[in-house]
Amino acid sequence: NAGVMQNPRHLVRRRGQEARLRCSPMKGHSHVYWYRQLPEEGLKFMVYLQKENIIDESGMPKERFSAEFPKEGPSILRIQQVVRGDSAAYFCASSPLIRTVLPPSGANVLTFGAGSRLTVL
Amino acid sequence: KQEVTQIPAALSVPEGENLVLNCSFTDSAIYNLQWFRQDPGKGLTSLLLIQSSQREQTSGRLNASLDKSSGRSTLYIAASQPGDSATYLCAVASGGYNKLIFGAGTRLAVHP
Repeated sequence: NAGVMQNPRHLVRRRGQEARLRCSPMKGHSHVYWYRQLPEEGLKFMVYLQKENIIDESGMPKERFSAEFPKEGPSILRIQQVVRGDSAAYFCASSPLIRTVLPPSGANVLTFGAGSRLTVL
Repeated sequence: KQEVTQIPAALSVPEGENLVLNCSFTDSAIYNLQWFRQDPGKGLTSLLLIQSSQREQTSGRLNASLDKSSGRSTLYIAASQPGDSATYLCAVASGGYNKLIFGAGTRLAVHP
């Protein structure tokens, strides 16, 4: 099990271009979350998706940002007409269930990918 | 609106010290609280998860406590080592699913 795979790991775009970030969840996981981490800040929730459905996009900017999780293939976070303020690390996380009963040892609820670092010139 | 605050923002200690990292949250109606470790340029590693009905969790040299009524959690690191150097993030889940609200983190440096 390769874990949550994100690509590209690093992406450089010029202002006005489009950025596409991909996330392949862990095998058997059907729930995907996207988070953004601005420099020197904590992670901020962006969107929660299940296969073919957006469940909660309350953290997504209203314009230029979109996300999908198709029946087949990875989840994609798309940023159109990027600006310098979009430069950040974008993390994807996946989980198998909405709510999980955990053993006392405190196992993971979400498994995070290594992130995609977007730099806008 | 849930807000998570971590104190201190940065910490530098000599090897061997016992450490306490603090996390506070504004809404006590949480589902669980997690502590993560983030290494530079890397993803997040979950260290400990405390369910809302629990008071603490332990894993090796790490112990996390939760006081829901006061909106606080602490991460205790015993006998710190240089390999513990990383940013430690606290996150709470308030909703019916795994929507985490993160603090800004505590950047820890343990020097030999």
